[in-house]
Amino acid sequence: EPEVTQTPSHQVTQMGQEVILRCVPISNHLYFYWYRQILGQKVEFLVSFYNNEISEKSEIFDDQFSVERPDGSNFTLKIRSTKLEDSAMYFCASSEAVTALLGYTFGSGTRLTVV
Amino acid sequence: DQQVKQNSPSLSVQEGRISILNCDYTNSMFDYFLWYKKYPAEGPTFLISISSIKDKNEDGRFTVFLNKSAKHLSLHIVPSQPGDSAVYFCAARGGAGGTSYGKLTFGQGTILTVHP
Repeated sequence: EPEVTQTPSHQVTQMGQEVILRCVPISNHLYFYWYRQILGQKVEFLVSFYNNEISEKSEIFDDQFSVERPDGSNFTLKIRSTKLEDSAMYFCASSEAVTALLGYTFGSGTRLTVV
Repeated sequence: DQQVKQNSPSLSVQEGRISILNCDYTNSMFDYFLWYKKYPAEGPTFLISISSIKDKNEDGRFTVFLNKSAKHLSLHIVPSQPGDSAVYFCAARGGAGGTSYGKLTFGQGTILTVHP
């Protein structure tokens, strides 16, 4: 079964450093998303991306965050200057169509630890 | 953001019996509701969804019921199996008052334990 692949599975970084989280969505999917889950809290929406541009973003997704689809397969989330509160599981997801009937396919996540 | 709430943090059932997981929402603009299952160290796995214009959707052992007037949905698992033990998340799509295709709003999750 096709899957969304995320790398690395765990990243430790110093506060203030830049990190790039990588995702390879399912190949025929057109819509891409980033979510995060801080330990003990809900899964939260960050951003959605379609047709090479952001289609929606949450208030969490401030100027420190950016997304990019640098080639035909990768989808990245960059955090420019990490803060302690950015420590969380980050999930990439993709979907084939705009309808949510078939759900979004999530990757296994990257655990980001900011020290 | 309490637009989607799962009020039961945990549920324990016997193998073979029915599991009923509940979810309440406040935003009447949500257009789809989804259930996800999650194991530790894995991403959420899609189980089943329902459009806001339906009141029931069934897929094998899983049935989702939607009561729009009560702003309530539930997931029924029959019969429950030990492999169903996981965290179950309710999620709702949309809610911006217009087109909002990207955003899923999740509940807090319910830990389901199915005992053999």
